[in-house]
Amino acid sequence: ELKVEQNPLFLSMQEGKNYTIYCNYSTTSDRLYWYRQDPGKSLESLFVLLSNGAVKQEGRLMASLDTKARLSTLHITAAVHDLSATYFCAQTLLTRGSSYKLIFGSGTRLLVRP
Amino acid sequence: EAQVTQNPRYLITVTGKKLTVTCSQNMNHEYMSWYRQDPGLGLRQIYYSMNVEVTDKGDVPEGYKVSRKEKRNFPLILESPSPNQTSLYFCASSLSRDSPYNSPLHFGNGTRLTVT
Repeated sequence: ELKVEQNPLFLSMQEGKNYTIYCNYSTTSDRLYWYRQDPGKSLESLFVLLSNGAVKQEGRLMASLDTKARLSTLHITAAVHDLSATYFCAQTLLTRGSSYKLIFGSGTRLLVRP
Repeated sequence: EAQVTQNPRYLITVTGKKLTVTCSQNMNHEYMSWYRQDPGLGLRQIYYSMNVEVTDKGDVPEGYKVSRKEKRNFPLILESPSPNQTSLYFCASSLSRDSPYNSPLHFGNGTRLTVT
């Protein structure tokens, strides 16, 4: 059974600081997603990482994937308040019915303080 | 505007009273899915559909039904709601039947359901 674990589950950081969110998963897969959810809002796709060594960057967020270590990271550079949200990683799983589904981590709630 | 539309946004009901949460997408997506979100548990898949008339169970299907009679609509039906179905529900869609492997999910705005 695929498990996806994120840590930390809650992160309070000061503006201007750097930090990394970690996403570990338990089975081999070459594809991982990061989503963002603002309070009371829907989920928005941030990144899809397609292969080992993949790195994607947008603004102050950079995501990477190491399939050998079964680890993805979301690095935050010089955090600003607008980045406050909950971040989910999600891994794909091929089901018995030959379809794919996403397994989500529990989410990391990020609060960026002035 | 391309979107996934869920209704209602908020719903309070009583145990045993049948309800339906509607979901509609205007992007001609083949894949649609329902998730529930509970604190500390992330999102868990309830049901999904790879195309019209093709549906399958996700991880937590008990107490739910779905149908996919048309490509754009994927309603979630609770025949006899119970308090443990109090949750935040999201409908999502994606372009191809191989989704979500090949393309990200587009989520609706969510339906907050309370069952008393």
